[in-house]
Amino acid sequence: GNSVTQMEGPVTLSEEAFLTINCTYTATGYPSLFWYVQYPGEGLQLLLKATKADDKGSNKGFEATYRKETTSFHLEKGSVQVSDSAVYFCALSMNTGNQFYFGTGTSLTVIP
Amino acid sequence: DSGVTQTPKHLITATGQRVTLRCSPRSGDLSVYWYQQSLDQGLQFLIQYYNGEERAKGNILERFSAQQFPDLHSELNLSSLELGDSALYFCASSEGTVYNEQFFGPGTRLTVL
Repeated sequence: GNSVTQMEGPVTLSEEAFLTINCTYTATGYPSLFWYVQYPGEGLQLLLKATKADDKGSNKGFEATYRKETTSFHLEKGSVQVSDSAVYFCALSMNTGNQFYFGTGTSLTVIP
Repeated sequence: DSGVTQTPKHLITATGQRVTLRCSPRSGDLSVYWYQQSLDQGLQFLIQYYNGEERAKGNILERFSAQQFPDLHSELNLSSLELGDSALYFCASSEGTVYNEQFFGPGTRLTVL
């Protein structure tokens, strides 16, 4: 079946530190991959996406590259800010039905 | 603002009761999804509708049901409520059914006492 596995949190970093949140997937076909972010008290927002192998999604300094050979879509940011404190969800969507499969979420806290 | 609206924002009720949560998708979006988010279960997909028809079912209990109306708004009905149903319920919408990103509403926080 289809599933997403992401690294467990919580993750605590100092401001300006480098961030990596690992995400791997299992899919029966060729999925699109997404990272969503949930700020405290809010719904999920799309952070970035990639629709095919070797695509790189990027937004707000965050990046993730769709790696088909390792079935991964790791989220990275070179220098985190306190405002990046949130829960990050990796997700995949297949090209039929558009059902999303979400990871369990990784909580990130950035301290000044 | 995602353009997806959900009402009510908060709901407090008692065990055994029935509640209805409402969602209005973004203008033009045909698909609506319902999710349950709790501390111990994470984000769970419940059900998807596309243009009024059920398209996919996830971990939705038999006590729960949903529908999408001709104007594309959707309702999630939760009955015979239990303490464990206390959670955030999110609605999301997307344009169609292929590779479209989902836009999430702000959620309804349900507390069952």
